[in-house]
Amino acid sequence: RKEVEQDPGPFNVPEGATVAFNCTYSNSASQSFFWYRQDCRKEPKLLMSVYSSGNEDGRFTAQLNRASQYISLLIRDSKLSDSATYLCVVNMNDYKLSFGAGTTVTVRA
Amino acid sequence: DAGITQSPRHKVTETGTPVTLRCHQTENHRYMYWYRQDPGHGLRLIHYSYGVKDTDKGEVSDGYSVSRSKTEDFLLTLESATSSQTSVYFCAIRDPLGDTEAFFGQGTRLTVV
Repeated sequence: RKEVEQDPGPFNVPEGATVAFNCTYSNSASQSFFWYRQDCRKEPKLLMSVYSSGNEDGRFTAQLNRASQYISLLIRDSKLSDSATYLCVVNMNDYKLSFGAGTTVTVRA
Repeated sequence: DAGITQSPRHKVTETGTPVTLRCHQTENHRYMYWYRQDPGHGLRLIHYSYGVKDTDKGEVSDGYSVSRSKTEDFLLTLESATSSQTSVYFCAIRDPLGDTEAFFGQGTRLTVV
């Protein structure tokens, strides 16, 4: 079983729609969680950290469910510029960050 | 943007030749990582370093070696490149204090022919 698993998508949504997707992780002792965004042929960049109580950054909302070992990302009012691959990242221990393979989102006009 | 640069950005090399990729940071972060990214696999850890001269293997370390002689530089060497090592290589840095995120270099696109 992979340490971090994501639905690869693609999620193809119209502008203005809401899209949500999950990521599951295998290590119950995982310490911290992140969502990264990666544009085609570019480096991953931090979108947001995920806190236990859930957190929101503008149109983006992240949730953590430790009991079921998953995190989620919800994007409201999708923009064309939200088209990207979203990577789920889990800090397994002091040094190790494990990455999901990514969820592709395409927002169409 | 975090001060992290990779060189070269693109390289084509022949099977069997040695190749060294360089990662340079100006952030003084203790942790440095080398990942490779391939379609369907996401980012896979090759090697990481937790200090000068302190390195360890990741999940796909076969065929790769690393060195870190000073805080700011982390070198990845393919001793004898193979076609299976054709990939995009990313370096990352991270401050281990607190639950901090990693910052990535722009990547090196390596093609082994």
